[in-house]
Amino acid sequence: KAGVTQTPRYLIKTRGQQVTLSCSPISGHRSVSWYQQTPGQGLQFLFEYFSETQRNKGNFPGRFSGRQFSNSRSEMNVSTLELGDSALYLCASSLGLADTQYFGPGTRLTVL
Amino acid sequence: GIQVEQSPPDLILQEGANSTLRCNFSDSVNNLQWFHQNPWGQLINLFYIPSGTKQNGRLSATTVATERYSLLYISSSQTTDSGVYFCAVSLSGNTPLVFGKGTRLSVIA
Repeated sequence: KAGVTQTPRYLIKTRGQQVTLSCSPISGHRSVSWYQQTPGQGLQFLFEYFSETQRNKGNFPGRFSGRQFSNSRSEMNVSTLELGDSALYLCASSLGLADTQYFGPGTRLTVL
Repeated sequence: GIQVEQSPPDLILQEGANSTLRCNFSDSVNNLQWFHQNPWGQLINLFYIPSGTKQNGRLSATTVATERYSLLYISSSQTTDSGVYFCAVSLSGNTPLVFGKGTRLSVIA
């Protein structure tokens, strides 16, 4: 079974731009969660989608948004990028939120 | 919200040594997972262990839910065990995982 894939793997943007990251979960998994990892804040939960519905949202500004498609693939969008948005963005898929989570390789975003 | 504390924050071992990593949490949980993040950033799930004991090769984990802690044991460590080990917990089946700050392990040949 193929693992979780994330695209792109690396991204460089400038302040004020927007970015869209993509995550394809393991086949059959309907829950997709997004996390931001930075050296200062560690791993922080962004949001979770299940069957195209956002069920949980972390404490991030409205510039961070996401969606899930009918095939369970998910995208997250960050608008009006700030320097502090530079981070590793990780996507995890699972059967349900209470189940084992499997992480993708991450997208490393650098904002200049 | 729930607090997750991991200790020690850093650990340096000689190859072949054993180690114990600890995770304390502040509330009752119904989900606890251990992850290993390799130097390239990939997070690998090691154990799903809200209670009890599990073993997988040289790794084993024990969670004592009533006392709110979990332990990860690494025996006969190898250089490939290097990386950061995270403990993550959630309060219920509908709440997201909360991660600890991790234990950074360096295994030296």
